[in-house]
Amino acid sequence: EPEVTQTPSHQVTQMGQEVILRCVPISNHLYFYWYRQILGQKVEFLVSFYNNEISEKSEIFDDQFSVERPDGSNFTLKIRSTKLEDSAMYFCASLLDTQYFGPGTRLTVL
Amino acid sequence: AQSVAQPEDQVNVAEGNPLTVKCTYSVSGNPYLFWYVQYPNRGLQFLLKYITGDNLVKGSYGFEAEFNKSQTSFHLKKPSALVSDSALYFCAVRDLFSGGYNKLIFGAGTRLAVHP
Repeated sequence: EPEVTQTPSHQVTQMGQEVILRCVPISNHLYFYWYRQILGQKVEFLVSFYNNEISEKSEIFDDQFSVERPDGSNFTLKIRSTKLEDSAMYFCASLLDTQYFGPGTRLTVL
Repeated sequence: AQSVAQPEDQVNVAEGNPLTVKCTYSVSGNPYLFWYVQYPNRGLQFLLKYITGDNLVKGSYGFEAEFNKSQTSFHLKKPSALVSDSALYFCAVRDLFSGGYNKLIFGAGTRLAVHP
């Protein structure tokens, strides 16, 4: 069964450093999303992406965040200068008729 | 604004007993509702969804959910719980007003603990 994959599973970084989280969506899906889940809190929408551009972003998704689909398969989330409060689990999802989620990347900012 | 509420932080049930995990929704128009499950250190796994049609929706792993329009509820149920069902369960609604790109709005989650 096709699935969304994410790498790395865990990323530890120093505050102020750039991180890139990678996702490979399900191949025939057209819509892509990033969500995050701060420990103990609900899953929150960050951004949606369709037709090679951002279709919607939340208030969380400020200028420090960016997304791209560089090669038609990978879908990346970049955080330019990480802050302590960016520590969370980041989930990628892709949609054809239902959103399917990847296993997540746990980002720890020290 | 679209929202879902999960009124219980935790549900405890004995193995073999029926389980219910509650979800209520607040939407404008017809709701598109979902249940996802999260096992420890894992991602969100899709269980089932309600778009239209029969109010009783059957999903993965023996779970089902009942859509009740008058009570604005979409409770998750299983006739006989297994210890392996212990996990975090999220109810979600599709935001139909997000430019057509269908982001999900999640509830806070309910931790299900099934005891042997």
